[in-house]
Amino acid sequence: QPVLTQPPSASASLGASVTLTCTLSSGYSDYKVDWYQQRPGMGPRFVMRVGTGGIVGSKGDGIPDRFSVLGSGLNRYLTIKNIQEDDESDFHCGADHGSGSDLVYVFGGGTKVTVL
Amino acid sequence: EVQLVQSGVEAKKPGESLKISCKASGYNFPNYWIAWLRQMPGRGLEWVGFIYPDDSDTSYSPSFQGQVTISVDKSISTAYLHWNSLKASDTAMYYCGRHSAGDNRIDFWGQGSLVTVSS
Repeated sequence: QPVLTQPPSASASLGASVTLTCTLSSGYSDYKVDWYQQRPGMGPRFVMRVGTGGIVGSKGDGIPDRFSVLGSGLNRYLTIKNIQEDDESDFHCGADHGSGSDLVYVFGGGTKVTVL
Repeated sequence: EVQLVQSGVEAKKPGESLKISCKASGYNFPNYWIAWLRQMPGRGLEWVGFIYPDDSDTSYSPSFQGQVTISVDKSISTAYLHWNSLKASDTAMYYCGRHSAGDNRIDFWGQGSLVTVSS
């Protein structure tokens, strides 16, 4: 199963952009990754899924257009443009491996985004 | 509207048993896998395992196999996570989540159940 690696922190000034990276382990370059946002003290919510061709399917409910994704090689990116105070959150990436009852779902360690 | 509503805060002692719940509404409950996830204090998310309510087919992450039991009561659209004998290291927030049909993203989440285990 893949291992997902995320930097522990990222920051951006109010109104600027920030790009988060989720790196798949070697051999899993065709895997799609799901991004989740977790505001302080809240449960996670689905943001969107990304493959090497970009977004897969629809964004999650209420996710603004300022959020976008790209995929390249082993990396899956989430970019937040015009970052707002409300975007200050932990962002987790996850990926499924296998199918049906053989499925496992793995997460990266999460990236804490701070708005300066 | 899809909703997953979890049971509340639990404070237990080591060795005690516990069952927490996740009640679903707003969709056809039997036909979507329901997962349980753990988030230890200050840490990332971990997938515990999941269950298919229609036939109770269940799968666990190797890290959690034998440590917990996932079950379901299809008649009341509720999934459960059960411990026979809690340890202090089970202290965490636990979330339930619905896996989307077809591509396995976790598209809806419960609000979380805080479990604290301390003597």
